[in-house]
Amino acid sequence: GESVGLHLPTLSVQEGDNSIINCAYSNSASDYFIWYKQESGKGPQFIIDIRSNMDKRQGQRVTVLLNKTVKHLSLQIAATQPGDSAVYFCAEIRGGSNYKLTFGKGTLLTVNP
Amino acid sequence: GAGVSQSPSNKVTEKGKDVELRCDPISGHTALYWYRQSLGQGLEFLIYFQGNSAPDKSGLPSDRFSAERTGGSVSTLTIQRTQQEDSAVYLCASSPKIRDRNSPLHFGNGTRLTVT
Repeated sequence: GESVGLHLPTLSVQEGDNSIINCAYSNSASDYFIWYKQESGKGPQFIIDIRSNMDKRQGQRVTVLLNKTVKHLSLQIAATQPGDSAVYFCAEIRGGSNYKLTFGKGTLLTVNP
Repeated sequence: GAGVSQSPSNKVTEKGKDVELRCDPISGHTALYWYRQSLGQGLEFLIYFQGNSAPDKSGLPSDRFSAERTGGSVSTLTIQRTQQEDSAVYLCASSPKIRDRNSPLHFGNGTRLTVT
């Protein structure tokens, strides 16, 4: 079965607020994680990735945090904008199977103006 | 530069017919993947190509599904004798796979297949 899952299926925030999307994984051998954004009618778009030798990585308005102790991954979006409304997926690659990306079911983020 | 291109973007077919879905990966990407996404669901792995070979076909749902890749570039996913449960969005992704180092997959916009 899947080892990547999400705590919240939906998240609604006000424009300008910060958003936090959470993800849990169960395989301690996972060593590479990616966040994707998927808008309606489009394929998943790469946002940010992180390797297991890191705890935090920042991009433009986004930060990914990795807590290997509790096998938890989060995506923080600063100053959320209406254009951020989409489904967000976390995905993992398990060490030893270094090509197959396993996806969680996704969180729907809705940004209210 | 050009991203991953998939065609057709939409396909409606009758149950029992065969369909072919095409994927043009990003130039130079050696790894190519097919995933399937059912309505409101996550992505289900189907098959992985490295170059023209497919070391992992474990996600193909049945022997009605097959895929090939030629010239290390274009890939075709074929579904024979389509069934209604085959209705889904079929996504292709490519990656500049470098040995021992993972890199993100870049997805196309998918082919939405509807079997009536």
